[in-house]
Amino acid sequence: DARVTQTPRHKVTEMGQEVTMRCQPILGHNTVFWYRQTMMQGLELLAYFRNRAPLDDSGMPKDRFSAEMPDATLATLKIQPSEPRDSAVYFCASGLGGDSYNEQFFGPGTRLTVL
Amino acid sequence: AQKITQTQPGMFVQEKEAVTLDCTYDTSDPSYGLFWYKQPSSGEMIFLIYQGSYDQQNATEGRYSLNFQKARKSANLVISASQLGDSAMYFCAMRDELHMNYGGSQGNLIFGKGTKLSVKP
Repeated sequence: DARVTQTPRHKVTEMGQEVTMRCQPILGHNTVFWYRQTMMQGLELLAYFRNRAPLDDSGMPKDRFSAEMPDATLATLKIQPSEPRDSAVYFCASGLGGDSYNEQFFGPGTRLTVL
Repeated sequence: AQKITQTQPGMFVQEKEAVTLDCTYDTSDPSYGLFWYKQPSSGEMIFLIYQGSYDQQNATEGRYSLNFQKARKSANLVISASQLGDSAMYFCAMRDELHMNYGGSQGNLIFGKGTKLSVKP
């Protein structure tokens, strides 16, 4: 049963600390998305990659957020320094780009709390 | 700009009855895809059903069906024979398929604010 995995599932940290979230997309999927979910804003796209290349990160605050795909099996989202307003659930999703129909499979999310 | 609107923050339905969750969308692109996801209290996002803008028939997946009215730009989710396990948040989402096919935006999803469905025993 292929799944997107995310670590950690929960993270509590103090303001100013660095946070790194990791995602392992489903094997064979070439598109990876990072979404953030908050009560106020709902689900928002932060960044996405196709074939490990960043295609759109316009939803991401560039001064503190960075997203990378060091290889096809790992995507990372880093926040440095973290702020209380970054508290949210961060979802990673993967899919097959280029098809006319392409379901996105979501990971279980990382619940981040910044104190 | 593309937009998804879900006007029902919360809905109640009696177990075994059918319920319709509303979703309207706005896009100027001729080609697009519409999705529904379920998010139970555990937090994961579960794909339910997909409708392409050129699909002639309404999509169905088990107890889920999508009432697609293109002219009205609505894509309502119908859940038949509600079960207690259907209690969850439901999100409507749109993907820009035209740009995806031409190597542009590659199909990121734009989500509505969600509807919280509660099924009563």
